[in-house]
Formats: sequence, structure tokens, C-alpha cells
Amino acid sequence: QKEVEQDPGPLSVPEGAIVSLNCTYSNSAFQYFMWYRQYSRKGPELLMYTYSSGNKEDGRFTAQVDKSSKYISLFIRDSQPSDSATYLCAMTFLNTGFQKLVFGTGTRLLVSP
Amino acid sequence: EAGVTQFPSHSVIEKGQTVTLRCDPISGHDNLYWYRRVMGKEIKFLLHFVKESKQDESGMPNNRFLAERTGGTYSTLKVQPAELEDSGVYFCASKDRERETQYFGPGTRLLVL
Repeated sequence: QKEVEQDPGPLSVPEGAIVSLNCTYSNSAFQYFMWYRQYSRKGPELLMYTYSSGNKEDGRFTAQVDKSSKYISLFIRDSQPSDSATYLCAMTFLNTGFQKLVFGTGTRLLVSP
Repeated sequence: EAGVTQFPSHSVIEKGQTVTLRCDPISGHDNLYWYRRVMGKEIKFLLHFVKESKQDESGMPNNRFLAERTGGTYSTLKVQPAELEDSGVYFCASKDRERETQYFGPGTRLLVL
């Protein structure tokens, strides 16, 4: 069983839609949760991070963590064609000094004009 | 500020040959990481340097892989001899001491034939 599960997609939505991207994890020791965006032929770029359960908002993006259910989500409001990319969840824990990231496989998002 | 750079961007070699990948981290970042993505799988941690010292090499697949960071600046990852299963995208990331964010390079795409 993978430590982090993520639906690979692709997820196709029309411009302006609300997008929900999700990951589940099995290791309750994970304490630091991140969402990366990766465009084709580029490296992952950090979008958001959070330590605690609850919501964190940044512009059109909201990250949600539910530690009791071992479930994290990224919501994108008013999605744009420029949001088309692969979205990777990643997590790590204090025992490694937050150094070793564990990734999901990534969800490919396609936003059509 | 220049980002993480990696060289080469692509490499095609034959099984049994040697390949050396290079990573230049963001200036001043003590922490340097290597990750690998094999096709269809998630990005996986290989190892972590703090300056020139290997802090965690638990993800290195086998002794055909050798990573170095002489002088605590750039790092190299050598694969010798390369096998077919070594094909994938090798990412380098760097991080400073104060913050948790790892900044990724664009990756080196390695194909072993």
C-alpha cells in the first residue's frame, strides 16, 4: 500500500469551475502538508503548505487538511486554462526534520476555455 | 534570485554506460535533495545533503548510485553502470535553514536503452 494515494486523473473541467483535488494518506505521523503544481517539462512548484487541520486560503486556492480522516484537499475557485497542470500532494513529518517529502502520484488537471 | 538548475536536461544512454547528473542549488541553501520519478509512479526521495554531508540516503536504490556534494555547493549524482530501470526524471531540490520550502529544479530526463 502506498503511503499517499492520489487519483491520477486526468480531471477535465470548463473554465470558471471549482476544482477539488484530493489525497489520502496512511501514516498518521505526517504533520506538514503541501501542494505542488507542475507544468509539463518543469519542476514542481510549491503552491501551499499547512501544518494543522483546517483550511488555509491563498487567493483562488484553498488547502484543507483533515488529520482525523487522513485526507487533504486543494480547491481551486474560478479555474483558468493557465491552471492546467499536474497537482502533486506531498507530506513529511517532524522525525525527519521535515526534510524527506513523500509525494502522491499527481492529478493531471485540464481546464478548457 | 536564480532557481535550482540541473544539467543535462535530457540524457539517453545505453545499458551499462555511466551517466553523471549535476545540480546547482539556490545560492546559500545548505540543504540539497535528490528525488526520482519513474514513469507512472510518484516522485520518490533519494537522498539529502546538509552542506557537504549526507544526512539521509535511505532512498538510494543500490550501490550503482553515487551522490557527492564536494564543497557544499553543487551536487552530482552518478549512475554506474546504468540499467533499464534507472530511466526516469531525476529532480534536485534545495532549501535554506530557516524555512521548510523545498525549491525544485526542472529535472533531468534519463533514458537507458
